[in-house]
Amino acid sequence: KAGVTQTPRYLIKTRGQQVTLSCSPISGHRSVSWYQQTPGQGLQFLFEYFSETQRNKGNFPGRFSGRQFSNSRSEMNVSTLELGDSALYLCASSLVAGRDYEQYFGPGTRLTVT
Amino acid sequence: AQTVTQSQPEMSVQEAETVTLSCTYDTSESDYYLFWYKQPPSRQMILVIRQEAYKQQNATENRFSVNFQKAAKSFSLKISDSQLGDAAMYFCAYSNNNAGNMLTFGGGTRLMVKP
Repeated sequence: KAGVTQTPRYLIKTRGQQVTLSCSPISGHRSVSWYQQTPGQGLQFLFEYFSETQRNKGNFPGRFSGRQFSNSRSEMNVSTLELGDSALYLCASSLVAGRDYEQYFGPGTRLTVT
Repeated sequence: AQTVTQSQPEMSVQEAETVTLSCTYDTSESDYYLFWYKQPPSRQMILVIRQEAYKQQNATENRFSVNFQKAAKSFSLKISDSQLGDAAMYFCAYSNNNAGNMLTFGGGTRLMVKP
């Protein structure tokens, strides 16, 4: 089975622009979660989608949004980029939401905002 | 809110020796899950080991084992017979049923393995 894929792997944007990141989960997985990783704040949960519905949201401003499609692929969007949005964005997929199912992480998208 | 704390930013171990990474957490939930993830330089997060809070027996996965002390809210990872490939960032993480798949991570411990 192919693992979790994230595109693009690297991205450079300018302050004020917007960006869309994509995550394709493992085939059959219906839950996708997104995390932001920075040296200062560490790993922080952004949101989780399950069956096209946002189940949970972390403490991020409204500039961060996401969605999930019927094939379970997910996108996250960041509008009006700020320098502080520079980070590694990780997504993780799971068969279903909740306790007994392992989450598998993708390789991440490295976003640099200049 | 749940918090996870890793008090050791860096650790080093000699190849073939044993090392223990510490993690403490705070939660008011009684049913939850604890994890250790490894993040090598490639940045791909890999699950090392998982512990369900309702299980008293400590989880083990080959050379990796945990010491889960529920009352003390402590969850340490022991790596036996350390190998060069164990060098990585290690993150302790927490989740519970009310949070779906949301993981709360500690700040991480960088493990260096000396040949």
